[in-house]
Amino acid sequence: QVQLVQSGAEMQEPGASVKVSCKASGYTFTDYYIHWVRQAPGQGLEWLGWINPKTGDTKYAQKFQGWATVTRDTSISTVYMELNRLKSDDTAVYYCARGVRTSPGFQTPYDFWGQGTLVTVPS
Amino acid sequence: QAVVTQEPSLTVSPGGTVTLTCDTSTGTVTSGLYPYWFQQKPGQAPRTLIYDTTIKHSWTPARFSGSLLGGKAALTLSGAQPEDEADYYCSLTYTGARVFGGGTKLTVL
Repeated sequence: QVQLVQSGAEMQEPGASVKVSCKASGYTFTDYYIHWVRQAPGQGLEWLGWINPKTGDTKYAQKFQGWATVTRDTSISTVYMELNRLKSDDTAVYYCARGVRTSPGFQTPYDFWGQGTLVTVPS
Repeated sequence: QAVVTQEPSLTVSPGGTVTLTCDTSTGTVTSGLYPYWFQQKPGQAPRTLIYDTTIKHSWTPARFSGSLLGGKAALTLSGAQPEDEADYYCSLTYTGARVFGGGTKLTVL
């Protein structure tokens, strides 16, 4: 069955970087985009960006351009989201989610989500 | 960056009907902004209910429907159930970048 399994909770100091992983299984890794979404405590959802695992192409929200980096390792079906220069405002649960197919076909976007990774940046 | 706006909160009676809306700062919501609707309950990851304006996932209850209404995207819940109490988020796509609305807290009371 399709699963997106994320790495465990992290606590990082302000100014440091964090790298969260999202390991896909149960489907062909390069067949679907992967998106990253975060949610600060008690707040709404915020979209960070996506990666096309087939090509490595990425797209970021304007706010995260130059600040977040999404990469993939096709050999282990894993996508990474790295956020640097962390601030206390970056304390949030970070989710990966499966997006649309990378090739034409029947689409079921955002059908599977990772369990979320809590990143804590103390103030 | 565009701003997506939703009602902060709405209340519906059990068995009643409610419409949540999703507006864009860029003018009118069209199908070309690929509206999605997500449901999130406390402590859970979001779950997609509707994509591309009207299309339901296999798990989306029939009482939910998506549409365009008055220049906005809309999520209509007909026959609300207690388990529909949740936060609902819409999102729109602008040249490949998704933007989420602030969410609507729906109370079934």
